[in-house]
Amino acid sequence: GAVVSQHPSWVICKSGTSVKIECRSLDFQATTMFWYRQFPKQSLMLMATSNEGSKATYEQGVEKDKFLINHASLTLSTLTVTSAHPEDSSFYICSAREQVAGAKTGELFFGEGSRLTVL
Amino acid sequence: DAKTTQPPSMDCAEGRAANLPCNHSTISGNEYVYWYRQIHSQGPQYIIHGLKNNETNEMASLIITEDRKSSTLILPHATLRDTAVYYCIVRATANSGGYQKVTFGTGTKLQVIP
Repeated sequence: GAVVSQHPSWVICKSGTSVKIECRSLDFQATTMFWYRQFPKQSLMLMATSNEGSKATYEQGVEKDKFLINHASLTLSTLTVTSAHPEDSSFYICSAREQVAGAKTGELFFGEGSRLTVL
Repeated sequence: DAKTTQPPSMDCAEGRAANLPCNHSTISGNEYVYWYRQIHSQGPQYIIHGLKNNETNEMASLIITEDRKSSTLILPHATLRDTAVYYCIVRATANSGGYQKVTFGTGTKLQVIP
């Protein structure tokens, strides 16, 4: 199946610094990517929807100035956690929706996740 | 996307069939039933999806009731590696004109016991 790759898979940073997480669709074009956050023993929480070439759509309660999303190409979306604090420590997961073409249904594929720890 | 209800946890003996139920009583006509699973500290993995007919692939079978208000995911011969959280989701596909985003419920934590 299609592959979505996230980088880095884990990162540790100091409080106050910014961290960028990349999400790439390796063998398909993705007009839409989604970013999720998952705290321990909880389900995935949708943070935002990233559309290629336009501004991201954030879910209620998610600070757009803190979680900057850029979707500059059909294969890459980035999430930047700005001025990170310990409460931002979490597992961040992206998913990419395959660009619909012909009979394809635009399935969703998920990355491996990126674990952020803020000290 | 319609809301789904799943039992929080289930146990299954290794080698036996695991039957995971899901209720989706408010499902719309253009919404499919999708199943994903998440093994600890990994991203969700697609398992199977269906609209109204039963589906089978190399991983699992999906049984959808005639009224489409519930479904069951069947892992025919559970192994220890099937221990994971299983999520049932209903959503419209891109070419059906429905919503694109996917929201997750709490899922069912399946524990396969040796």
